[in-house]
Amino acid sequence: EVQLVESGGGLVQPGGSLRLSCAASGFTFSSYWMSWVRQAPGKGLEWVANIKQDGSEKYYVDSVKGRFTISRDNAKNSLYLQMNSLRAEDTAVYYCARSTKWLVMNWFDPWGQGTLVTVSS
Amino acid sequence: DIQMTQSPSSLSASVGDRVTITCRASQGISNYLAWYQQKPGKVPKLLIYAASTLQSGVPSRFSGSGSGTDFTLTISSLQPEDVATYYCQKYNSAPSITFGQGTRLEIK
Repeated sequence: EVQLVESGGGLVQPGGSLRLSCAASGFTFSSYWMSWVRQAPGKGLEWVANIKQDGSEKYYVDSVKGRFTISRDNAKNSLYLQMNSLRAEDTAVYYCARSTKWLVMNWFDPWGQGTLVTVSS
Repeated sequence: DIQMTQSPSSLSASVGDRVTITCRASQGISNYLAWYQQKPGKVPKLLIYAASTLQSGVPSRFSGSGSGTDFTLTISSLQPEDVATYYCQKYNSAPSITFGQGTRLEIK
């Protein structure tokens, strides 16, 4: 069974940092693009970042460029999101999601259960 | 940037009804469109990709159509378990990915 399990969320003050992790199992992790997608409380879905199979390409939504860094460790079947200079508007549930093997087929299936990040003083 | 607009924002329908949700792109995106279902308190689930390809395991009452700028998600016979918010997502200009604002579906 394909499974994605996020961890690392929590309460952080504005300007602070947090590192999210996503543990993947049930598929060949190194064969897929991976993404982070977030959902603010009561709001819709927003793609945050994605990363190529070998980590050589990374892309971000404009609102997090320069503050967030996506990375992966294929030996550990893990995806990460380093979040710095956090703002109140970054408060959201962060989902880890598997994309496909090709960037042009960039839909998400499956999704992890999500981890809540709250930025507040 | 290409914007994705869903309509309606919410709707209420009866069990057995045919339900249609529309997603409109501000520019043509060929068939680079996916649909997701998010039940209350749950994780989003992929229903359709490439505008009309049903994801494995998704009930056949769900279907998608469209190309270019106008797309539809249709539920042929609404079931109680279909109560959810539905999102479209465009992926034509990788890596840029945009979701619609969502359509909340309720049972009358």
